[in-house]
Amino acid sequence: DVKVTQSSRYLVKRTGEKVFLECVQDMDHENMFWYRQDPGLGLRLIYFSYDVKMKEKGDIPEGYSVSREKKERFSLILESASTNQTSMYLCASKPESYNEQFFGPGTRLTVL
Amino acid sequence: AQKITQTQPGMFVQEKEAVTLDCTYDTSDPSYGLFWYKQPSSGEMIFLIYQGSYDQQNATEGRYSLNFQKARKSANLVISASQLGDSAMYFCAMREAYRDDKIIFGKGTRLHILP
Repeated sequence: DVKVTQSSRYLVKRTGEKVFLECVQDMDHENMFWYRQDPGLGLRLIYFSYDVKMKEKGDIPEGYSVSREKKERFSLILESASTNQTSMYLCASKPESYNEQFFGPGTRLTVL
Repeated sequence: AQKITQTQPGMFVQEKEAVTLDCTYDTSDPSYGLFWYKQPSSGEMIFLIYQGSYDQQNATEGRYSLNFQKARKSANLVISASQLGDSAMYFCAMREAYRDDKIIFGKGTRLHILP
């Protein structure tokens, strides 16, 4: 079974803190994604990576950066967390030849 | 621009009945893919079914089928013989022409199955 794990299920941080959200997949997938999910808005793509050290901005990259130093790990970084970044963050991965994405369990981030 | 619309924010259905979740889309690209995902209360998104724009047949996966009406730009999910475990949030999504960086999701429909 494909396994996508995220470092935390719940996270509480203070405004201005630097926040790292980690995502690891164990199936050698080329593509990895970070989404943000808010009620009434569905999922919105923050960043996408199609290979190690490669990244593409999604629809809402402002306030976020990413890092992919190894194929299995894709990190989302909030340089200076703000209250409007309180949300559910979902990581996903997929092999190049597949249609569907495989999602992790999500991290619910609260910024106070 | 691409757009996905799910008009039903919530639905209540009796167990064992069939359910249809609506999804309409808009794109000017002739090549695209349509997805349905399920999100239980645990939070993890689970892939259900995929339909390519050039697929002649409607996609089916077990109790799930996708009613693809290309001319109407609709891609409704049909769940046959609903079960209590089907209670969840359901998202329709569209990918533009094999572009993994161009996937958009609808706002979702919350389905409640009543015993």
